[in-house]
Amino acid sequence: GAVVSQHPSRVICKSGTSVKIECRSLDFQATTMFWYRQFPKKSLMLMATSNEGSKATYEQGVEKDKFLINHASLTLSTLTVTSAHPEDSSFYICSARVSHRLQETQYFGPGTRLLVL
Amino acid sequence: QKEVEQDPGPLSVPEGAIVSLNCTYSNSAFQYFMWYRQYSRKGPELLMYTYSSGNKEDGRFTAQVDKSSKYISLFIRDSQPSDSATYLCAMSPLTGGGNKLTFGTGTQLKVEL
Repeated sequence: GAVVSQHPSRVICKSGTSVKIECRSLDFQATTMFWYRQFPKKSLMLMATSNEGSKATYEQGVEKDKFLINHASLTLSTLTVTSAHPEDSSFYICSARVSHRLQETQYFGPGTRLLVL
Repeated sequence: QKEVEQDPGPLSVPEGAIVSLNCTYSNSAFQYFMWYRQYSRKGPELLMYTYSSGNKEDGRFTAQVDKSSKYISLFIRDSQPSDSATYLCAMSPLTGGGNKLTFGTGTQLKVEL
């Protein structure tokens, strides 16, 4: 199957700093990537849809100035958490859209655990 | 009412048992149905993908979709300790990747020796 990587896998930062998370499709090109957030023992919450070469589409309630998304190439999307606060601590997961014949689905990265002190 | 309902478990079974995991949904527009497996502190891994009603089998895994009842199932035969994980159902009204997925809350499964 398609492989999606994320970096870093874990990050600890001080409150007020910005953190960048990278999502890469390793063996395919992804015109569309998705960013999710997951709280402990909860399901995935879609934050935004990232399209290569255009602005991201954010879900209701997600601050676009707080969570900056850049999808500058067909294999890389980045999520920057700006001026992070403890309530931003969470597990952030990206996924990439994969099309094969008539089938489309999403493949997920391994996730990035963010802890803001 | 949530769009997708899934019993969070935890579900504990002995090794070798047949496991049945289920989701119900309310949106009749859902056409594409997926099951993902998520190990602790890892990203979800796609297990099964089905379109509309019917069954699909892949090794020890069988996915069933009953659109008339708005009910989907994942069966795991000969369950192994390595199957211990959280299983998430996901569904979409159109193509499964390019459009948003709606997830269940996940069912935590533990297969014991």
